[in-house]
Amino acid sequence: QKEVEQNSGPLSVPEGAIASLNCTYSDRGSQSFFWYRQYSGKSPELIMSIYSNGDKEDGRFTAQLNKASQYVSLLIRDSQPSDSATYLCAVNGYSSASKIIFGSGTRLSIRP
Amino acid sequence: KAGVTQTPRYLIKTRGQQVTLSCSPISGHRSVSWYQQTPGQGLQFLFEYFSETQRNKGNFPGRFSGRQFSNSRSEMNVSTLELGDSALYLCASSGQGRLTEAFFGQGTRLTVV
Repeated sequence: QKEVEQNSGPLSVPEGAIASLNCTYSDRGSQSFFWYRQYSGKSPELIMSIYSNGDKEDGRFTAQLNKASQYVSLLIRDSQPSDSATYLCAVNGYSSASKIIFGSGTRLSIRP
Repeated sequence: KAGVTQTPRYLIKTRGQQVTLSCSPISGHRSVSWYQQTPGQGLQFLFEYFSETQRNKGNFPGRFSGRQFSNSRSEMNVSTLELGDSALYLCASSGQGRLTEAFFGQGTRLTVV
């Protein structure tokens, strides 16, 4: 079992709709959860961090965390073509807090 | 505040050679992590340094090594390069604390021919 799992996509969403990206993780003691956006040929850019169960909103982005289900999600409202990128879920485990493990990423495509 | 700086941006090396990559973290950050990114394997954790000490290591052969200096700058070295080492090497900088976020540099694109 991979430590952090994501659906590789591609996920195609019409412009203006809500994009929903999901991630599961295996280390039950994980404490920090992150979403990064990576455009082709560029380095990952941190867009959301979440540490407690529930929702965290920042502009058009909402991160959701459910530690009991070991599940993290990212919602992007009013999707724009500029949101087309690969989204990486990352988890910082309890057993090794300085080691952030990344999922393989979900490719998101926003169609006009 | 300056971001994470990686040098060089691009490198072309021949099989069997060695290479050294450099990373300067965000001012005040003492943790530096290195990752290898390839299309097939995604982002793979190499190692993490904090205050000149390696705290964590990923599952890479001993040809991959690193170090951190007293000013928190870090270098990683790959010896006896193989074609499969061609990848984007990313450095991430973070502060202290268990819940700290990590910020990436622009990466070094290494091509082994």
